[in-house]
Amino acid sequence: EVQLVESGGGLVQPGGSLRLSCASSGFTFNDYWMNWVRQAPGKGLEWVANIKQDGSEKNYVDSVKGRFTISRDNGNKSLHLQMNSLRAEDTAIYYCVRDTWLSFDVWGQGTLVTVSS
Amino acid sequence: QSVLTQPPSASGTPGQRVTISCSGSSSNIGSNTVNWYQQFPGTAPKLLIYSNNQRPSGVPDRFSGSASDTSASLAISGLQSEDEADYYCAAWDDGLYGFVFGTGTKVTVL
Repeated sequence: EVQLVESGGGLVQPGGSLRLSCASSGFTFNDYWMNWVRQAPGKGLEWVANIKQDGSEKNYVDSVKGRFTISRDNGNKSLHLQMNSLRAEDTAIYYCVRDTWLSFDVWGQGTLVTVSS
Repeated sequence: QSVLTQPPSASGTPGQRVTISCSGSSSNIGSNTVNWYQQFPGTAPKLLIYSNNQRPSGVPDRFSGSASDTSASLAISGLQSEDEADYYCAAWDDGLYGFVFGTGTKVTVL
C-alpha cells in the first residue's frame, strides 16, 4: 500500500524551531518530487515547498523562504521540513505529498503545528 | 496566499449538475494544467482530476474537468449526498515558481 506518514508536529513558541518528518512506503521514493502543503485551521490549502528526486532543486513559497528548509533522505525513504523562526501564522496542519506529473496524488494524514506562547 | 479564485460556495439538489469555476492568470492556468482536489472535514485532500480533465482510478465519471485560457471548471453531474465536501483547484505558477491553490469551494447538497 502506498503510504505517507508525517510526524514531528506539536506546540512551539514564536521564534522557535520544529522539524517535521515524513516516512514513505509502498513506492519507489526516489522516483518522485515531494512536497509539503499546509492548511491553517478553517482555511484553505497552501503549498509550502518541494524537492526534486535527487535533492538538487528546492522551491519555497515566499512566506517561508529563509526560515524553512526541505530535505530528503532517499536511503531511508523520508522527507523532512526544518522550520525555524516560527510565527503564529505558521500554525497549520502540514501534509507530506507526492507529486506525479505536477499533480498531488498521494497525501499523508497530516501533522499539526501550533505556534503560540 | 491564494492566486486562483473560486466561488466560496455552490449547492444543488440530488441529481442536479453543479459547476465550480477557477480563475487564474497566464502564468498558472494559462501555461500549465489544472488539478482538482476533494476534501472532507478532518481528512486529507484527495486528487479528483489531474491534467485538466483526467480522472484517477476510482473517481466516479460524474466528476469532470475542463480548462480554457486562464480559467478552469469542475462539474459534478448527478450530484449525490456524498459529494458534499470542499473542492480546490491548483496549478503550477511559472512566475511564482511554485504551486498555487484556489480559494476553495464548499459544495452543499440540499
